[in-house]
Amino acid sequence: EIVLTQSPGTLSLSPGERATLSCRASQSVSSTYLAWYQQKPGQAPRLLIYGASSRATGIPDRFTGSGSGTDFTLTISRLDPEDFAVYYCQQYGSSLWTFGQGTKVDIK
Amino acid sequence: QVQLVQSGAEVKKPGASVKVSCKPSGYTFTDYYIHWVRQAPGQGLEWMGRISPKSGGTRYAQKFQDRVTMTRDTSISAAYMELSRLSSDDTAVYYCARTTTVTTSSLAFDIWGQGTMVTVSS
Repeated sequence: EIVLTQSPGTLSLSPGERATLSCRASQSVSSTYLAWYQQKPGQAPRLLIYGASSRATGIPDRFTGSGSGTDFTLTISRLDPEDFAVYYCQQYGSSLWTFGQGTKVDIK
Repeated sequence: QVQLVQSGAEVKKPGASVKVSCKPSGYTFTDYYIHWVRQAPGQGLEWMGRISPKSGGTRYAQKFQDRVTMTRDTSISAAYMELSRLSSDDTAVYYCARTTTVTTSSLAFDIWGQGTMVTVSS
């Protein structure tokens, strides 16, 4: 089973700043099968990025996904107040899906 | 509107079983896998398994292999997740979500249910 490790655990930033979130896999992941989700308190997760770099429907272009192999990154170019949330990466491989443990982006 | 609607909150005693339903609307039920993901209070997301509504075929995470059963009823377009031998560690919000069945696609979870809180307490 592929393990995804996200860092940092918590990112404290101010609105307007740039956020860089990391997701590292224990073995190589196909970019096709790497996704990112945003979750706010009391809500279900929302798909942000699929295929490592494609934005889901309605996702603003300040969200960018990149990476390949074992290292993937989610960048939020300028944090909007609504972006403070928890972010999860996810991968599919060998008929199994796994999530990273999450990165919380909170207000500094 | 494409959505997944789940059944309501449950309170169960240790050792009991719980069955949660997920009812899609706005798309063809058999065109997408239904997955189950749980989230314990203050914790991350944990994939439990998936079912193919078309074939009924399932794939479970090893952790839940001996306790979870996922089924579907195509006559009413509903999917179910039953978890047995509950303990307090199973207290969590349980979500259903869908992915396409096309393996050349991203297989990301594009639509999620609203979640069902399951509390296990004596």
